[in-house]
Amino acid sequence: GAVVSQHPSWVICKSGTSVKIECRSLDFQATTMFWYRQFPKQSLMLMATSNEGSKATYEQGVEKDKFLINHASLTLSTLTVTSAHPEDSSFYICSARDGMNTEAFFGQGTRLTVV
Amino acid sequence: GENVEQHPSTLSVQEGDSAVIKCTYSDSASNYFPWYKQELGKRPQLIIDIRSNVGEKKDQRIAVTLNKTAKHFSLHITETQPEDSAVYFCAATPFPLLTGGGNKLTFGTGTQLKVEL
Repeated sequence: GAVVSQHPSWVICKSGTSVKIECRSLDFQATTMFWYRQFPKQSLMLMATSNEGSKATYEQGVEKDKFLINHASLTLSTLTVTSAHPEDSSFYICSARDGMNTEAFFGQGTRLTVV
Repeated sequence: GENVEQHPSTLSVQEGDSAVIKCTYSDSASNYFPWYKQELGKRPQLIIDIRSNVGEKKDQRIAVTLNKTAKHFSLHITETQPEDSAVYFCAATPFPLLTGGGNKLTFGTGTQLKVEL
């Protein structure tokens, strides 16, 4: 299958700082990327959907000013957690699909710990 | 929007036995149903999927069945092995894709499968 690379795989940051997570599709053009958050022993909760070159669509309850998503190219999307707080600590996973396939390929995830 | 329910939340089986995980969905527009396996701290991996134009699909020890009328689909794993131990998620989404591929997967709550020796 196609490869989606996500970095960093883990990050620890201080409360109040911002953290950027990158998601890259390595061998296909990702017209759409999805960002999920997963708390321990819970399901993947969709945060937002981004299409290349346009603004992200956020799910209800997700603060767009806190979770900044940029999808400036067909191979790269970024999620920036601004002014992070301990409750933002979670596993963040991106997935990407091209415009033709139903299958979404997942990045390896980022474990964010805010201290 | 779509709501996907998944049962059971945990499942323990003896090695060699079969495991069945069931999901129901609410949106009749959904017609693509993938299943993912997620090991601890790792990304979800697609293991099998089914579209609504078929009722059953099989890939070696894994099979999925779909009942569109009842809006439920199930994952069947036969001859389970210890390496099958993981969390399994079902998902549902409409297909074909909307412009820009924006159809989103709605995930079930997950099933922790433990295969015991």
